[in-house]
Amino acid sequence: RKEVEQDPGPFNVPEGATVAFNCTYSNSASQSFFWYRQDCRKEPKLLMSVYSSGNEDGRFTAQLNRASQYISLLIRDSKLSDSATYLCVVNPYFGAGTRLTVKP
Amino acid sequence: DAGVIQSPRHEVTEMGQEVTLRCKPISGHNSLFWYRQTMMRGLELLIYFNNNVPIDDSGMPEDRFSAKMPNASFSTLKIQPSEPRDSAVYFCASTGHYGQPQHFGDGTRLSIL
Repeated sequence: RKEVEQDPGPFNVPEGATVAFNCTYSNSASQSFFWYRQDCRKEPKLLMSVYSSGNEDGRFTAQLNRASQYISLLIRDSKLSDSATYLCVVNPYFGAGTRLTVKP
Repeated sequence: DAGVIQSPRHEVTEMGQEVTLRCKPISGHNSLFWYRQTMMRGLELLIYFNNNVPIDDSGMPEDRFSAKMPNASFSTLKIQPSEPRDSAVYFCASTGHYGQPQHFGDGTRLSIL
């Protein structure tokens, strides 16, 4: 069983759309959660941390549900530049990543 | 400030050869992680160190893989002998304290022929 399960997608959405990604994790004792972004042939880069109370950074909202052991990322008003692979992290394990393509 | 530095950036070698990947973490960071990324398996944790001590190496595929961290500023991942299925991008990452977000190096693209 994988530590972190993530739907690989791909998600193809038009500009301006709202898109949500989810991950589930197996270790209920996990303490640190993040979302990373990875562009093609580049290293993963931190997008945002995920807190129990939920947190927002501009168009991005991350949430954690400890009872159900899942984390989510919501992207509102998606831009072409949001096209990338989004990886959830239940430290130190990464999900498989979800590929997002935002189209004009 | 310098980020995580990995070398080489690319390596192409024949199967059976020894491969050594190198990583210099961000100065002052106490935790170091080695990952392997492939299309099929995604980003897999191979091993991580806290204060130069290996904490979890359960992700190391087999005895052909070994990792060391002789001091706080240097780590190596060695594959001996290498096989074509070892072809992947190998990332090194570091963080100030375990539990904080990781900072990744540019990765080493390894091709075993």
